[in-house]
Amino acid sequence: LAKTTQPISMDSYEGQEVNITCSHNNIATNDYITWYQQFPSQGPRFIIQGYKTKVTNEVASLFIPADRKSSTLSLPRVSLSDTAVYYCLVGYRGSTLGRLYFGRGTQLTVWP
Amino acid sequence: DADVTQTPRNRITKTGKRIMLECSQTKGHDRMYWYRQDPGLGLRLIYYSFDVKDINKGEISDGYSVSRQAQAKFSLSLESAIPNQTALYFCATSDPPGQGETQYFGPGTRLLVL
Repeated sequence: LAKTTQPISMDSYEGQEVNITCSHNNIATNDYITWYQQFPSQGPRFIIQGYKTKVTNEVASLFIPADRKSSTLSLPRVSLSDTAVYYCLVGYRGSTLGRLYFGRGTQLTVWP
Repeated sequence: DADVTQTPRNRITKTGKRIMLECSQTKGHDRMYWYRQDPGLGLRLIYYSFDVKDINKGEISDGYSVSRQAQAKFSLSLESAIPNQTALYFCATSDPPGQGETQYFGPGTRLLVL
């Protein structure tokens, strides 16, 4: 089961781009990388998922280098409402999904 | 209306009591999960179910049991509650394999065991 390492916390100011890097040295060939966002007293919410190179949606971008041992979540022009905990998950898109490891996540605080 | 609902949202109980947390979903997903969250520890998987006849233990199943009454319902029970089970509990469902397998979480149940 591939585990992940993320910074415990990060700070930013409104309008800046934020990059959160996650290390997953033991990622397996069939594993995908998924990021979730969690606000206080709410359940996590899916942000983005990728396998390699770059994925972009309306919320964020995900950059994955060729060796896939790390990934970077990029949030463009953050606002105060982006203050949340961000989780990086690595897991097989198959029957072992139930064993995904959430870890402690990265607490992002956005300041005015 | 929310796709994944949990009841109760808050619960205070005493040591030794049996309690049940309930989860319902309208997403039509076969896969459901129960997680526990403690401050600073992220989410830890308690039990998961891939269909009505399937139940699997997660990382921290001791002291808990589950029941999958129907595709839409997955309950978590604490047979004899203890104070260190005080936590925030989340139920989740997920897309089927091959369709992204995104997890969808309920609003959580905050449990206090005195």
